[in-house]
Amino acid sequence: NAGVTQTPKFQVLKTGQSMTLQCAQDMNHNSMYWYRQDPGMGLRLIYYSASEGTTDKGEVPNGYNVSRLNKREFSLRLESAAPSQTSVYFCASRVGPVTEAFFGQGTRLTVV
Amino acid sequence: AQTVTQSQPEMSVQEAETVTLSCTYDTSESDYYLFWYKQPPSRQMILVIRQEAYKQQNATENRFSVNFQKAAKSFSLKISDSQLGDAAMYFCAYRSRYGNKLVFGAGTILRVKS
Repeated sequence: NAGVTQTPKFQVLKTGQSMTLQCAQDMNHNSMYWYRQDPGMGLRLIYYSASEGTTDKGEVPNGYNVSRLNKREFSLRLESAAPSQTSVYFCASRVGPVTEAFFGQGTRLTVV
Repeated sequence: AQTVTQSQPEMSVQEAETVTLSCTYDTSESDYYLFWYKQPPSRQMILVIRQEAYKQQNATENRFSVNFQKAAKSFSLKISDSQLGDAAMYFCAYRSRYGNKLVFGAGTILRVKS
C-alpha cells in the first residue's frame, strides 16, 4: 500500500517557468490537500479538495492553481514560478471529517 | 482564526531521559482535534498522537503522552525513555472537528544525545 505519492521529489525551476506537482493516493480518501513548509512557519495550507469535483483556497493560494483530476489525484500547478515559491510542498489526504491526514513524502522545489 | 504556538525552537534530551515539548493554541471553538506530528530528516510527516478536545483523558501512545489542558489551551508532548530515533522536528497542529484545515505551529527541533 503506497499511501500518498508525490512526484517529483526534487525540482529546480527558473523564475517564470511553470510546472505541475503531482499527487496520488490509493486509500480511497475523499479529501486531499496541498501544504507548503517554510522554515519557522510550519506548514500552511495552499488549496484543498473536500471531495472529487470541488476545490477551495487555503491560507496561501496566490500563485497556484489546482486540479482534482479524479478521486485519486490532486495536482498543484505553478504557472509562473517566483523565488518566493521556493519551499517544500506536501500533499495529504484523509477519508472523512473526523480522521487524521496522511502525508506524502514532500517535494523540495527551488526557484532560482 | 486559530493559531498554534510552539515557543521552543530547539530542545535537547539525553538518551533514555524524558523531554516535554510545549504547544499552546488559540481558538474560540469547543470541539476540535489536536495533533503532534514528527518529521525526521527523511521529510516524511508521521502522526505521533491525537487528542480529541471533548475527551478529558490524555492520549497515550507507548512512550508518547500528552498533557491536554483545555482551559489553558495547552497541549504538551512528553517523550519518555528518549531514543536516538526520536530526533526530529515535531509539529503541533490543530483542526476543527469538522474543518478541513490543519493549523500548524512553527515546529520544535528535538536533538537526542547519546
